[in-house]
Amino acid sequence: QSVLTQPPSVSGAPGQRVTISCTGSSSNIGAGYDVHWYQQLPGTAPKLLIYGNSNRPSGVPDRFSGSKSGTSASLAITGLQAEDEADYYCQSYDSSLRKAVFGGGTQLTVL
Amino acid sequence: QITLKESGPTLVKPTQTLTLTCTFSGFSLSTSGVGVGWIRQPPGKALEWLALIYWDDDKRYSPSLKSRLTITKDTSKNQVVLTMTNMDPVDTATYYCAHCQRWPNSYYFDYWGQGTLVTVSS
Repeated sequence: QSVLTQPPSVSGAPGQRVTISCTGSSSNIGAGYDVHWYQQLPGTAPKLLIYGNSNRPSGVPDRFSGSKSGTSASLAITGLQAEDEADYYCQSYDSSLRKAVFGGGTQLTVL
Repeated sequence: QITLKESGPTLVKPTQTLTLTCTFSGFSLSTSGVGVGWIRQPPGKALEWLALIYWDDDKRYSPSLKSRLTITKDTSKNQVVLTMTNMDPVDTATYYCAHCQRWPNSYYFDYWGQGTLVTVSS
């Protein structure tokens, strides 16, 4: 059971928009700790996608965007492409557990 | 260009101690603000943060694993070493090291190694 809750799977057709939620609590996201997102393509290491809730590292397409509100955060992907098929993880910090915490991951399927 | 690579045994026996080395390039662990962390991922499961070491030798551990973990750095060799004692089959996972970027109220991992699969079995 992950501290940050993500839907196990989401799907969308090419060109569509999908969102992935990341729900936390008052000891992590709700406490003001920022959320970071990673993309993990099959058989590869995670790659930083979004940092500090909504910032994109250099090289990440602007089709990817992040937001945070209250005890939750969201990753949005617009103009879905086949190459976006991957697992996505959110990460934050939990003051009660005193450690970085990850969500359980969301598998994105491009139909 | 920042790169990291993990090395160590692929198979360990239960109760043994695991020693993993992260060799990196493109940054120095003597530079203010820099850190290197370890994260693991059991097959088909989620990521789990294990430990972190900063340029000033500040060390952080996952509280649930703290008694079993030790993280050290060798700045001259550009290496970070993680040891985990009393290995168990549930510790079977891919272990990643990653460059850690401090954020105002937390941190994140902006460059990752390719990972190394460690299997615990007799």
